Amino acid sequence: GAGVSQSPSNKVTEKGKDVELRCDPISGHTALYWYRQSLGQGLEFLIYFQGNSAPDKSGLPSDRFSAERTGGSVSTLTIQRTQQEDSAVYLCASTSRHLYGYTFGSGTRLTVV
Amino acid sequence: GNSVTQMEGPVTLSEEAFLTINCTYTATGYPSLFWYVQYPGEGLQLLLKATKADDKGSNKGFEATYRKETTSFHLEKGSVQVSDSAVYFCALSDALNTGFQKLVFGTGTRLLVSP
Repeated sequence: GAGVSQSPSNKVTEKGKDVELRCDPISGHTALYWYRQSLGQGLEFLIYFQGNSAPDKSGLPSDRFSAERTGGSVSTLTIQRTQQEDSAVYLCASTSRHLYGYTFGSGTRLTVV
Repeated sequence: GNSVTQMEGPVTLSEEAFLTINCTYTATGYPSLFWYVQYPGEGLQLLLKATKADDKGSNKGFEATYRKETTSFHLEKGSVQVSDSAVYFCALSDALNTGFQKLVFGTGTRLLVSP
């Protein structure tokens, strides 16, 4: 597609429920990144994919967080048993080997109540 | 580890004023440096970048020079407009052994420009 697409744009969920966040990167971009932006905080790196593998998942805050990527394209970030501290904007970005800088999606605003 | 520190906001200016947003970094090696901008309700956009010492990145009237001696990459604009109101993020690249990069971001600085 023309840009990085994320869905849903907003998600309100009850504490303890599982949520799935989706990222559709730019076609042909082999690298995909997930970041989290909490209120008053910078962007926190979560995980990086190259193709379908995740060489760096060092930023995932707990084992409740997982992510996968299929077909070298769409990625899903799953948060199990959500907690209030998971409330944040989750941003996805993609890039190709030949470019510097990322293209970001508009993010998913997650609110855990 | 690598890190970025930028001035806290908000920065409040009148239209046509001079803008400086300070950014300093801590890194091993020779990272690339970036400024990203996030307009209200939108995703982050790359504003400018510099890949080596003394390089100057520029775009839309904004400039930043990669200063290795002071480990800084301050963002400047000579005359701001109301439309420049946004959150600005300084970032550096943290090279991964795969050849790709992981960006490390500062906390962001909100700029508010009034008419």
